[in-house]
Amino acid sequence: GENVEQHPSTLSVQEGDSAVIKCTYSDSASNYFPWYKQELGKGPQLIIDIRSNVGEKKDQRIAVTLNKTAKHFSLHITETQPEDSAVYFCAASREYSSASKIIFGSGTRLSIRP
Amino acid sequence: DTGVSQDPRHKITKRGQNVTFRCDPISEHNRLYWYRQTLGQGPEFLTYFQNEAQLEKSRLLSDRFSAERPKGSFSTLEIQRTEQGDSAMYLCASSLAGGAKNIQYFGAGTRLSVL
Repeated sequence: GENVEQHPSTLSVQEGDSAVIKCTYSDSASNYFPWYKQELGKGPQLIIDIRSNVGEKKDQRIAVTLNKTAKHFSLHITETQPEDSAVYFCAASREYSSASKIIFGSGTRLSIRP
Repeated sequence: DTGVSQDPRHKITKRGQNVTFRCDPISEHNRLYWYRQTLGQGPEFLTYFQNEAQLEKSRLLSDRFSAERPKGSFSTLEIQRTEQGDSAMYLCASSLAGGAKNIQYFGAGTRLSVL
């Protein structure tokens, strides 16, 4: 069935360093890959997304890369700050399809050390 | 606040009781989704509506679960004869289908504890 695997499950980095989270997906029909950030007591919030017709997208300190052939995608956060501490979820979906549910990874708990 | 609203935020119930949760989506959104999130896991899809039609249900949605969206606006999720395994965060999301993007926006969730 459809599956998204995410690594690592926990990540601790020094403030100012970079953080990288990697995911793989199984459904070859997936064409939309959002990344969500979830803080304690809140619902997931979309931080960046990428569609299968591009290989990379950047928004300030956050970048995502997609390798559709290998079914890999990654989140890169540069110059990390304390407010980046949260749980991050990668996800995959079939955009423009009636099956528009999102399949989430299991999450990465990111901690930024001061 | 014009985001997705869920009520209640927390619900504690005894095993065997029925519970109902409500979700109010972003007003112009025609799609509404329910997800369940257990501790340390990502959200898992339960069901979704386009307007008032329920278009897909996950195998996770046992026959004790029922969801409705009677007028294509707010939705309710009812769990009958709750079990301890139903304890989780129940998340609602909404999106606007048919446009260039189908971004799902999530509410803060209803945390259910079954004693």
